[in-house]
Amino acid sequence: EDQVTQSPEALRLQEGESSSLNCSYTVSGLRGLFWYRQDPGKGPEFLFTLYSAGEEKEKERLKATLTKKESFLHITAPKPEDSATYLCAVQRAGNQFYFGTGTSLTVIP
Amino acid sequence: GAVVSQHPSWVICKSGTSVKIECRSLDFQATTMFWYRQFPKQSLMLMATSNEGSKATYEQGVEKDKFLINHASLTLSTLTVTSAHPEDSSFYICSAPGTGGYEQFFGPGTRLTVL
Repeated sequence: EDQVTQSPEALRLQEGESSSLNCSYTVSGLRGLFWYRQDPGKGPEFLFTLYSAGEEKEKERLKATLTKKESFLHITAPKPEDSATYLCAVQRAGNQFYFGTGTSLTVIP
Repeated sequence: GAVVSQHPSWVICKSGTSVKIECRSLDFQATTMFWYRQFPKQSLMLMATSNEGSKATYEQGVEKDKFLINHASLTLSTLTVTSAHPEDSSFYICSAPGTGGYEQFFGPGTRLTVL
């Protein structure tokens, strides 16, 4: 059975305190792994797509990595505006997306 | 970038009534769109795949007679929640794949509250 699990559920960081979010997955026919940011009451905002193990992508303070079983979203020196829920999703053949339960990140000034 | 809109952004209705939610791709065509629901502090759950010109495909456990999906054109999909009940209150989000089908562009969501 396809499964996407994110950890931790919630994370509180001091401003400037770097950390990582984890997304573990088991899925047949993986086309891609996606990271999204979601602010309360809004739709997900695209961050990264990773297609193959070993791939890495960076954007400002965020860096996403992918292995055959999991992906990490590294946050370097976070700022309060990085506070949001970060969602991981896997895309199967047929384009359906299956989301993890998300990590709620709070960055304290 | 590709933009997906939803209308309305929020709706309150009485139990037993039907509610229609629209999802539009504004600057691109989408033969496929996806509908999700999200309960408070939970992740997005895929409900169904909307296919232009043909029947929608529903995920296991989703009642197709309750959640009617119509993909009338290459830029519009609608979700109708029929005979809504309080347990249908949720945040409904649609998405459409970009060129090549890899990226997904999400709408801003519709907050449905059933009294």
